[in-house]
Amino acid sequence: SAVISQKPSRDICQRGTSLTIQCQVDSQVTMMFWYRQQPGQSLTLIATANQGSEATYESGFVIDKFPISRPNLTFSTLTVSNMSPEDSSIYLCSVDGREETQYFGPGTRLLVL
Amino acid sequence: QKEVEQNSGPLSVPEGAIASLNCTYSDRGSQSFFWYRQYSGKSPELIMFIYSNGDKEDGRFTAQLNKASQYVSLLIRDSQPSDSATYLCATGGGSYIPTFGRGTSLIVHP
Repeated sequence: SAVISQKPSRDICQRGTSLTIQCQVDSQVTMMFWYRQQPGQSLTLIATANQGSEATYESGFVIDKFPISRPNLTFSTLTVSNMSPEDSSIYLCSVDGREETQYFGPGTRLLVL
Repeated sequence: QKEVEQNSGPLSVPEGAIASLNCTYSDRGSQSFFWYRQYSGKSPELIMFIYSNGDKEDGRFTAQLNKASQYVSLLIRDSQPSDSATYLCATGGGSYIPTFGRGTSLIVHP
């Protein structure tokens, strides 16, 4: 299994600002994923990030709001832009393991005031 | 729309009992099935996966799959307070992106 780190682990931000979350993996992986988990809810996939191509966004998520970078096979960033209190959530990156298993990073807990 | 349904709970069991967690899914094309455990304030971790009908055992955990009924379950034998967590069921259909349920909260009380 991969070891995944995320920065920051938590943040409190003012509405209208942006936050960039970093995800680092200890091995090269093809696919990286960004999820959101709101309190008491399950995981909602935001987008899939492949190295060398544009991220693929799920319905309800757009690049202008959640721009993603994937500069190499071990690193990705997710930016939450022009934040509002509704963006308060846990943001998780994950990588694909063997046969559709997923390994998750520790998450970034975001509170927007 | 692929859906994975779980009772949100909480499911409360006494220490030492068998906890039974259930999940149904809508996509008949699902080929792989997963159980993740998520402790409060932590990220999900994979604990079991199953691909074939029947039972798969790993220590105190048994995953059960019935594709005809589109039903997956997780049994935890000799439940311990440390098993208290939210258990997420997920299905995969070959797209590398699983579909997650909302999770069932399990409380094991001493």
